[in-house]
Amino acid sequence: ILNVEQSPQSLHVQEGDSTNFTCSFPSSNFYALHWYRWETAKSPEALFVMTLNGDEKKKGRISATLNTKEGYSYLYIKGSQPEDSATYLCASRSHSGGGADGLTFGKGTHLIIQP
Amino acid sequence: DTEVTQTPKHLVMGMTNKKSLKCEQHMGHRAMYWYKQKAKKPPELMFVYSYEKLSINESVPSRFSPECPNSSLLNLHLHALQPEDSALYLCASSQGLSNTEAFFGQGTRLTVV
Repeated sequence: ILNVEQSPQSLHVQEGDSTNFTCSFPSSNFYALHWYRWETAKSPEALFVMTLNGDEKKKGRISATLNTKEGYSYLYIKGSQPEDSATYLCASRSHSGGGADGLTFGKGTHLIIQP
Repeated sequence: DTEVTQTPKHLVMGMTNKKSLKCEQHMGHRAMYWYKQKAKKPPELMFVYSYEKLSINESVPSRFSPECPNSSLLNLHLHALQPEDSALYLCASSQGLSNTEAFFGQGTRLTVV
């Protein structure tokens, strides 16, 4: 995989339901995997930065897992609320000769929570 | 203060104009970035500055010229742009080129006419 791929592109979820989506990234020269939430007319906001294979991180109702060997990460949202509606971006950071590169972003998963 | 401030929020410029986008942060971050985002596409890295020195230039045309006057400021100078350069330009900063999160500004929506 040369690019960062996210699926699905968009998702409609009923309020109260749990959901999850996927990020696939290049596993070679892996340095870090970032998740961001981007609400309309606001700045992208960092959720997690993950580096170690098997890493699991949690922030409130949102959690993420990381598999660096196969190059994927899952983001989970438990008990979705309307305020969770946003685009969720994942971004991969890889090594270069001089250090870590900038972030390569996926296209995002656009999540809409329906009351 | 955990904000990255970008000005202006919106900019319309002609193809012969010269304009600048500005980005400011006061978090003591030593890495700053410019990203370009076209509609329905992911943000694409343009430039990375580390300790006020240009670290990465992702083959960006010379009509885009970055400048980092000090550790808090990052500019993007624009000259002779094309309509296809119309996009959202995002600035970000992080503590360094490491495994720390990036803080983003709200972006400048640029339209080239």
